[in-house]
Amino acid sequence: GENVEQHPSTLSVQEGDSAVIKCTYSDSASNYFPWYKQELGKGPQLIIDIRSNVGEKKDQRIAVTLNKTAKHFSLHITETQPEDSAVYFCAATTSYGQNFVFGPGTRLSVLP
Amino acid sequence: DAGITQSPRHKVTETGTPVTLRCHQTENHRYMYWYRQDPGHGLRLIHYSYGVKDTDKGEVSDGYSVSRSKTEDFLLTLESATSSQTSVYFCAISENSPYGYTFGSGTRLTVV
Repeated sequence: GENVEQHPSTLSVQEGDSAVIKCTYSDSASNYFPWYKQELGKGPQLIIDIRSNVGEKKDQRIAVTLNKTAKHFSLHITETQPEDSAVYFCAATTSYGQNFVFGPGTRLSVLP
Repeated sequence: DAGITQSPRHKVTETGTPVTLRCHQTENHRYMYWYRQDPGHGLRLIHYSYGVKDTDKGEVSDGYSVSRSKTEDFLLTLESATSSQTSVYFCAISENSPYGYTFGSGTRLTVV
């Protein structure tokens, strides 16, 4: 089955700096890679996703890159703000939803 | 979260007692999921449903059962709760699996 690793487990950055979170996956059949943000006391919220036919996707300050050959994908947050502080989860799955597996999460702290 | 409600939000129960958690949606989405969240493990799928009375097991289904008699409700039952089932439980819905998951706010269950 699919296995997703995520690094780092915790990340602290100064406000305005960039943050990068990296994930690796094991199943070469996976072709959908979403990222979720979870604030304290809330459920995860989808913030961006990428499909295997695309190498990069941007949405304002957030971008995701995918390297299918190396089986890794990354979340990039630029110009970080205190409200970006949260736990971020990556996930990998096939388009049929089989083996939808989440990474263990990264706790991001943006220091003012 | 709009369109999806979990109840109760918090519950403390004793070992060996049955417990039922409820997920209710107003979005008329086909797919519904139950996940558990534990430190260091991210989110792990317990059971999911792809229609009324159509359910299947996930990665960590032992000790859990589910039922879906109506499109809007998905129930998770712990037949005889154990301390290892202390966790935060999240329900998610999707119209077009695996895309666009929407998570509920979670139920924190403590088994003493």
